[in-house]
Amino acid sequence: GAVVSQHPSWVICKSGTSVKIECRSLDFQATTMFWYRQFPKQSLMLMATSNEGSKATYEQGVEKDKFLINHASLTLSTLTVTSAHPEDSSFYICSARDTGQVYLFGPGTRLTVL
Amino acid sequence: QQQVKQSPQSLIVQKGGISIINCAYENTAFDYFPWYQQFPGKGPALLIAIRPDVSEKKEGRFTISFNKSAKQFSLHIMDSQPGDSATYFCAALLSGGYQKVTFGIGTKLQVIP
Repeated sequence: GAVVSQHPSWVICKSGTSVKIECRSLDFQATTMFWYRQFPKQSLMLMATSNEGSKATYEQGVEKDKFLINHASLTLSTLTVTSAHPEDSSFYICSARDTGQVYLFGPGTRLTVL
Repeated sequence: QQQVKQSPQSLIVQKGGISIINCAYENTAFDYFPWYQQFPGKGPALLIAIRPDVSEKKEGRFTISFNKSAKQFSLHIMDSQPGDSATYFCAALLSGGYQKVTFGIGTKLQVIP
């Protein structure tokens, strides 16, 4: 069945390095994917909408130069956190629409920046 | 501006009891209302969803009640089980195209034996 996968599931990096998170749609194509950020015990906050073959649309307050999004194919979107700092530590979740209004979510990626 | 208000933020229910989570929305253009269940360290999983032309939808032990005039909807979990312990998010979105999902703040449910 249709599934959204993410890789890696967790990552620890040093401050100042860049980290890439992959989001894949399995058994379906996703021309649009969504990237969310979730802090502990809080709700999901939409960061950006990723569109295949075009620029991502960022929500107000999200730094596009820090959170680079590339949606190079119908099944893959990547989020790169550039020059990561401890305040970027969070749970990142991607989402894609399957059929109808069913929005599937990935398992999430836990980023810890030391 | 919080477009989807959810309450309570935490809920403790005894095994076998009924868990009730309430949500209210502001944007009358929303026309699809899903509920998601999230376990710690996992992504949200779709539980059940409803459209405003239906007042109630039931799937197993989970029921959504929808009141369009009041702009409110709720999730009822009947015969709550310890395995239901999770965080529940109500959400709202516009149907058609690719729309962003607006989430409520979440309710942490704990079902005690």
